[in-house]
Amino acid sequence: GENVEQHPSTLSVQEGDSAVIKCTYSDSASNYFPWYKQELGKRPQLIIDIRSNVGEKKDQRIAVTLNKTAKHFSLHITETQPEDSAVYFCAASMSGYSTLTFGKGTMLLVSP
Amino acid sequence: DAGVIQSPRHEVTEMGQEVTLRCKPISGHNSLFWYRQTMMRGLELLIYFNNNVPIDDSGMPEDRFSAKMPNASFSTLKIQPSEPRDSAVYFCASTPGISGNTIYFGEGSWLTVV
Repeated sequence: GENVEQHPSTLSVQEGDSAVIKCTYSDSASNYFPWYKQELGKRPQLIIDIRSNVGEKKDQRIAVTLNKTAKHFSLHITETQPEDSAVYFCAASMSGYSTLTFGKGTMLLVSP
Repeated sequence: DAGVIQSPRHEVTEMGQEVTLRCKPISGHNSLFWYRQTMMRGLELLIYFNNNVPIDDSGMPEDRFSAKMPNASFSTLKIQPSEPRDSAVYFCASTPGISGNTIYFGEGSWLTVV
């Protein structure tokens, strides 16, 4: 089955800095890669996703890049703000009859 | 839409007691998932249903856990008997399909077994 590795497990940045979280996946058949944000005590919520037919996608301060050859994808957050502090999960899914496999999560702390 | 609805939101129970968690998926979604989240193991998929049929229950930790989906708008996850190591947040989630679609999570059921 699919295996998703996520790094780092924790990340501390100063407000205004950029943050990058990286994930690798094992199955080259995977073609859907969402990112979820989970604030303390809340549910995971989708913030951005990318499909295998594109290499990059942006939404305001967040962007995701995908390298299918290397089987890795990354989340980039620019101009970080304290409210970006949360746990971020990457995930991967194959087409057809399969589910999302999640990474272990990255706890991002943005200090004012 | 009200989103995925779970109950109870919080439950504290004694070891050995039966626990039943409930979930109402988003109307029109035909896939439903039960996840367990702990600090040590992260988000674990326990079981998922497609069109009310259990597709993969390989994530169910042991026979003490069971899940049902009697109709398209309701699912239960039961633990009997419960143990302290079952303490976790249990999330129900739904999606319009199996793969390549956004999964929407409920608020979670926070279970503490003492």
